[in-house]
Amino acid sequence: QVQLQESGPGLVKPSQTLSLTCTVSGGSISSGGYYWSWIRQHPGKGLEWIGYIYYSGSTYYNPSLKSRVTISVDTSKNQFSLKLSSVTAADTAVYYCARRHSSGYYFGRWGQGTLVTVSS
Amino acid sequence: QSALTQPASVSGSPGQSITISCTGTSSDVGGYNYVSWYQQHPGKAPKLMIYEVSNRPSGVSNRFSGSKSGNTASLTISGLQAEDEADYYCSSYTSSSLYVFGTGTKVTVL
Repeated sequence: QVQLQESGPGLVKPSQTLSLTCTVSGGSISSGGYYWSWIRQHPGKGLEWIGYIYYSGSTYYNPSLKSRVTISVDTSKNQFSLKLSSVTAADTAVYYCARRHSSGYYFGRWGQGTLVTVSS
Repeated sequence: QSALTQPASVSGSPGQSITISCTGTSSDVGGYNYVSWYQQHPGKAPKLMIYEVSNRPSGVSNRFSGSKSGNTASLTISGLQAEDEADYYCSSYTSSSLYVFGTGTKVTVL
């Protein structure tokens, strides 16, 4: 059973870069077949797709965040990461990592989520 | 890309059936059979309930079913149970090669 677990600072200062890592266990990112995704949820609000990466390094980003987002993968550690630059209070949210099958347009496995607060 | 439109809340008594709608455009819901539905209990991660409009993942109760007509998708929960009380979100792949989620619906079991 594949499991995903987010990690990273829970507090980031405005204008700085938010950095999160998702560690995958029970399966190998480098075996292919899946897109590894980041999705966020503002407090009390709906879900927003941020983007995803394939094990080869191909990335797809939400155009609304594209100028500030970088998603990368480290197959040696079986992890993928999110960097969001120039954050503001509007980036305060629960950040989830999730897995999408390469032939299925849905997110079948999710991490538990991690709250990131942007505040000075 | 605008969020898909869902009713803010839907309620029903135990044993009843309820339906949640998810309205988009021809560029998302209407253009692809790639609508999925997620259940989210408070403080928990979303859980996939329906994929590709009407398919249920292994382990999801057959009380949950999905359908689509034009630009509107629907999730029906039959035989409503207390454990079904949660937030529900639809999602669709779009013509811009990205994903959009719905505004979310709070289901209350009376």
